[in-house]
Amino acid sequence: DAGVTQSPTHLIKTRGQQVTLRCSPKSGHDTVSWYQQALGQGPQFIFQYYEEEERQRGNFPDRFSGHQFPNYSSELNVNALLLGDSALYLCASSSLTGGEYTEAFFGQGTRLTVV
Amino acid sequence: GDSVTQMEGPVTLSEEAFLTINCTYTATGYPSLFWYVQYPGEGLQLLLKATKADDKGSNKGFEATYRKETTSFHLEKGSVQVSDSAVYFCALTVGTASKLTFGTGTRLQVTL
Repeated sequence: DAGVTQSPTHLIKTRGQQVTLRCSPKSGHDTVSWYQQALGQGPQFIFQYYEEEERQRGNFPDRFSGHQFPNYSSELNVNALLLGDSALYLCASSSLTGGEYTEAFFGQGTRLTVV
Repeated sequence: GDSVTQMEGPVTLSEEAFLTINCTYTATGYPSLFWYVQYPGEGLQLLLKATKADDKGSNKGFEATYRKETTSFHLEKGSVQVSDSAVYFCALTVGTASKLTFGTGTRLQVTL
């Protein structure tokens, strides 16, 4: 059973460009959350998708947007990249069952460097 | 808002030493508490959790007890191994939300 898979693993972009990161959740999971982990810091919640809709959002600007597809996979888009967007982007999947979420499983992340 | 405070690292220990990593929290509601571990080059893995006061989470020799009176969830292990070297994150969720609020992480290095 494949766990959470993210692509690409590494990415280098120039300031002002746009980037798309991808995530496939663990089999059986229907909820995808995205986190930003700056160097030496803990992950910060960006947003969560369930049933193809954004359900929760953290304190991130509108430059950060996302999408969830019918097969539960998800994309994170960041526009007008800033140097400060350089970070490890983590995807986590879980399942909403009986009104509660199951344990979140994390992917290995995408390392984004903005130059 | 919700927040988690961890002791700063790095923590350097000799193999077989006793480990404590402190974690305290503030939460707007009744939180569930977690410890995650991140090995070099990998994503986060759930180490243990506790969902109500006085619960003890345990896994792979690690333990943490949910102390509501002191708003703490300290991680302990009686005898660390070199393979335990990693970054450890304390985290919480509140209510039915799955959003995780993390601490800044504590790097543990275990030497022979």
